[in-house]
Amino acid sequence: ILNVEQSPQSLHVQEGDSTNFTCSFPSSNFYALHWYRWETAKSPEALFVMTLNGDEKKKGRISATLNTKEGYSYLYIKGSQPEDSATYLCAFGDYKLSFGAGTTVTVRA
Amino acid sequence: DTGVSQDPRHKITKRGQNVTFRCDPISEHNRLYWYRQTLGQGPEFLTYFQNEAQLEKSRLLSDRFSAERPKGSFSTLEIQRTEQGDSAMYLCASSGEGTTDTQYFGPGTRLTVL
Repeated sequence: ILNVEQSPQSLHVQEGDSTNFTCSFPSSNFYALHWYRWETAKSPEALFVMTLNGDEKKKGRISATLNTKEGYSYLYIKGSQPEDSATYLCAFGDYKLSFGAGTTVTVRA
Repeated sequence: DTGVSQDPRHKITKRGQNVTFRCDPISEHNRLYWYRQTLGQGPEFLTYFQNEAQLEKSRLLSDRFSAERPKGSFSTLEIQRTEQGDSAMYLCASSGEGTTDTQYFGPGTRLTVL
């Protein structure tokens, strides 16, 4: 079992503000780092798969960076909207993913 | 592409009963995974299939748990003699064959054992 940690556990953001949070993972034997967004009563939605050190991915107002040498990834949300409220999970590994416990984001209107 | 579906979405059962969950993956995906999520934790890997072959099982999957994918399409996860500790969200995912392919998840089956 690989130790994947996410921080903070939860955060509250005012609508329009930007925010970011962290996923840390073992820096050895890197395969891939996945980010998911999970809204209540829905399926986890795949956001990004990142495989190369220095990778930067973007989808709309959400972006992510990857540092495999030091074992961390940041997820950024620019100009938060209420629909960004969700739990954001990162997962590390090959076919057998090890997940962090998630960062729950609540955007206040 | 209708996505990954799971049935039922919710299951309440009494301790000692058997339950079975079904997962229908994205049709062109060869790999199918089962994960379990308990409160406050991220999903934990249980097992995965390449077509109909079950290739790996986690030590979390006790002998009361059995998973099948008989024709390489849908999969079932059965829990025999359920215990209160089995209460969790059971998630299914599917992917292509690449080691780092995106895993697409279903909405999960939430099991409550009374």
